[in-house]
Order: sequence, then C-alpha cells, then structure tokens
Amino acid sequence: DGGITQSPKYLFRKEGQNVTLSCEQNLNHDAMYWYRQDPGQGLRLIYYSQIVNDFQKGDIAEGYSVSREKKESFPLTVTSAQKNPTAFYLCASRRSSGANVLTFGAGSRLTVL
Amino acid sequence: RKEVEQDPGPFNVPEGATVAFNCTYSNSASQSFFWYRQDCRKEPKLLMSVYSSGNEDGRFTAQLNRASQYISLLIRDSKLSDSATYLCVVKAESNTGKLIFGQGTTLQVKP
Repeated sequence: DGGITQSPKYLFRKEGQNVTLSCEQNLNHDAMYWYRQDPGQGLRLIYYSQIVNDFQKGDIAEGYSVSREKKESFPLTVTSAQKNPTAFYLCASRRSSGANVLTFGAGSRLTVL
Repeated sequence: RKEVEQDPGPFNVPEGATVAFNCTYSNSASQSFFWYRQDCRKEPKLLMSVYSSGNEDGRFTAQLNRASQYISLLIRDSKLSDSATYLCVVKAESNTGKLIFGQGTTLQVKP
C-alpha cells in the first residue's frame, strides 16, 4: 500500500546535537511538507517542496534545514540553532494538481533532554 | 492577525447534539479549503474538502462564505467517536503550494 513513512517515531537528543528526521513517500506525489505541532496547538509550516531540488521556507524555518534530492524523500534536520525543538513533527505530501489533499505520515516525536 | 483562526474550544456536547465550528481566514486570494480531523497524538486525516456551493458527507456539512472569509463545519447527531480536534486548512494561493492550518477546535461528545 502507498503511504508516507516517518522515522524514527520517538527520538531523544541532548541539547546542542543535530538530528535528522526521515520522511519517505511512495505515492508519487510531487509536493512534500514538514509541519511542527506543539501541545494544544495547530500545525506550523517549517519547509515545503513542490519539486525535486527546490524547497521554500515556511513560517518557522529558523533552526531547520531540508533537502529534496529525490522525489520520494524529504528529510528534515533539526539543528542546534533551533531554540525549542521538543515537538511533534509531521511530514505530508500531495499531488501538485488535482484535489490538493494532504496525506500525512504518523509523525516523529522529538524530545530534547 | 493569524492567517487562519479557529476557536480552540473545547466544545462539550451530549450525544445526538448538533454542533458547528467556524474558521476565518485572512487572505482573500485563498483558493482551497479543507477540514481535517486529528485524534490525540495521531496524524491529521482529511475529513472533507469544502466547495463553494457547500457540501455534505453523511452527518457532516461544510460551507464556504467567501464574502466574509470563513468556512464552517456542522456535525449532526454527534457520536462519541466524533470526539477529536478539527483542523481548518486553507491553501494560500494557487501557485505556492502553501497550506496553512488553524490551531484546531476540540470537540468532546459525552454520553
């Protein structure tokens, strides 16, 4: 079955460490997104990519970096510059044409100790 | 002003009640509108798209009011299983691919 796979599901890291969250999709979707969700809050857009080798900053890109070398993959790196990285991170994808519906992965929960 | 705003609630309603949520958006050029449902500690899942003429899916009805820049979701005959957070999503402009989420409205349906 097609879908989006995020890994790891849970991650702990020490302050000052970079960490990379994986997002892979086999839906043949063109666009991919990273969102962050804090407790009791909605989703805030970190980065998005509409085609391979191109991506745009969202509303809270500071302290994060992404790459889009393959259509299927859109990894997110949380750098030590991110002041408050503990959060639930959600990756999503959609076709660039048609219904514009987002499909989400199950999320990665990052805790900084 | 936030681009997409929702009343966070919670809305506490008895089973069988009818409940309605609104969501306002600030960008008049917004193109597409959706309601997503999110269960606790899970990923959001599409509930329904919102069409200009309004649309219905079983007990759920979505409406769009472009003049006042809001969308609404009506749930009839609430079930315990409807308890969740309902997220309003707006696609900012046709050529950006940027989708903006509201903070969500929490619904608790009680027996």
